[in-house]
Amino acid sequence: DADVTQTPRNRITKTGKRIMLECSQTKGHDRMYWYRQDPGLGLRLIYYSFDVKDINKGEISDGYSVSRQAQAKFSLSLESAIPNQTALYFCATSTSGVQETQYFGPGTRLLVL
Amino acid sequence: GQQLNQSPQSMFIQEGEDVSMNCTSSSIFNTWLWYKQDPGEGPVLLIALYKAGELTSNGRLTAQFGITRKDSFLNISASIPSDVGIYFCAGIKAAGNKLTFGGGTRVLVKP
Repeated sequence: DADVTQTPRNRITKTGKRIMLECSQTKGHDRMYWYRQDPGLGLRLIYYSFDVKDINKGEISDGYSVSRQAQAKFSLSLESAIPNQTALYFCATSTSGVQETQYFGPGTRLLVL
Repeated sequence: GQQLNQSPQSMFIQEGEDVSMNCTSSSIFNTWLWYKQDPGEGPVLLIALYKAGELTSNGRLTAQFGITRKDSFLNISASIPSDVGIYFCAGIKAAGNKLTFGGGTRVLVKP
């Protein structure tokens, strides 16, 4: 079984719609992250959370919001989707500590029409 | 903005060749990570480096943490077709800090 799962894996939506992407992890990690990837580019951080009560903006948080419902769950919402939010979205988790490593989910491919 | 410069941006490999790619920065990083991403999938961790000068292998992959802490390289020896994909370097400046990604190196097979 995958340690980091994302649902849905693919989603098509229309401009102005609200959508939520879900992430769950069984690794027992405190830290969770949401990234987006655009074609030919590396990953850019949207939001991150170091524990259930902690939410932090990343470099491209505008137009997005998150909810950390439990240690194992971190959701990303697009309140009013727009076409330039079409991208691949990845959730990641990590332990805290000096030897930190991030583990990624399989991704959600989002198309906003 | 992106702080890690990864090169080359793309390369063609022939089976059996050794390939190298590197990542440089003007900033010091305390951790370097190398990931591989296959089409439609999330990045998968290949090698993690935590100390300057560290040289670590994972099968045919070898990565080094530069002594200045501003660079890292990844080498793939005796490449095979399944090595095709996009390789990303990523760095962490301090424990608990965010991961910064390079732009990726796309590895393709020579026609």
